Amino acid sequence: GAGVSQSPSNKVTEKGKDVELRCDPISGHTALYWYRQSLGQGLEFLIYFQGNSAPDKSGLPSDRFSAERTGGSVSTLTIQRTQQEDSAVYLCASSYRSGRLNTEAFFGQGTRLTVV
Amino acid sequence: RKEVEQDPGPFNVPEGATVAFNCTYSNSASQSFFWYRQDCRKEPKLLMSVYSSGNEDGRFTAQLNRASQYISLLIRDSKLSDSATYLCVVNPGGSYIPTFGRGTSLIVHP
Repeated sequence: GAGVSQSPSNKVTEKGKDVELRCDPISGHTALYWYRQSLGQGLEFLIYFQGNSAPDKSGLPSDRFSAERTGGSVSTLTIQRTQQEDSAVYLCASSYRSGRLNTEAFFGQGTRLTVV
Repeated sequence: RKEVEQDPGPFNVPEGATVAFNCTYSNSASQSFFWYRQDCRKEPKLLMSVYSSGNEDGRFTAQLNRASQYISLLIRDSKLSDSATYLCVVNPGGSYIPTFGRGTSLIVHP
C-alpha cells in the first residue's frame, strides 16, 4: 500500500513569500504529525492532529506557521512571510490509535525548504 | 533535563563488531518506545519497537529498563550498511506525540 506522501519534495522560495507544504497520510491513519529538521539537528515537533479533535499546536515556532487537515486526511502546512531560519526539511508522519496509544509513526520523504 | 537524551557519537566500529547505544528518558509515565534509523538526507524509518520484555530482530536487540528509564539497542555483527543515525523515540506519558532524541551516529568501516 501507499506510504505517507509529501509534496513538493523540494521548494526554493524568496524571503518574505508564503509557502504551502502538503502531506497525504497513510489511509486509515487518524494521527498526523508535522516535524522539521534543520541540517545536522534533531526532529523538532510542530503540530499534531488526531481525528476530528482540535490540533496540538504547541510546537509551532511563530504565528507565521499554521496547518490544517481537511476531512481527517490530507494536511497542509503554511508558512507565511518566510525567513531564512525557516530553511529545513519538513517531515510529515502518520499513525493510528490502538487503545490508549498511538502506534509507531511512518514518515514521508519530507519537503526540503530553502529560503533565499 | 531533556525529555530524550542520546550520545550523539559518532560510534566508529569495524565490520563484524558489536555495538550498543543507550537512550535515557525523563518521563517515568512513558508508555511507547521505538528505535528509528535515519540515513543521510532521508526520512526516519522504524527499526523496531521496544517492548517491556525486550525484543530481538535478527542482529538487533532492544531492551527497556523502566526502573532506570533507559532503552538500549544492540547491533551484533555490524555491516557497512548499518552506518546511519539511530533515533530513540519515546511517547511521553500523557502525550500522544512521539519525542525524538537527537540521534546516535554509527559508522561501520571495513
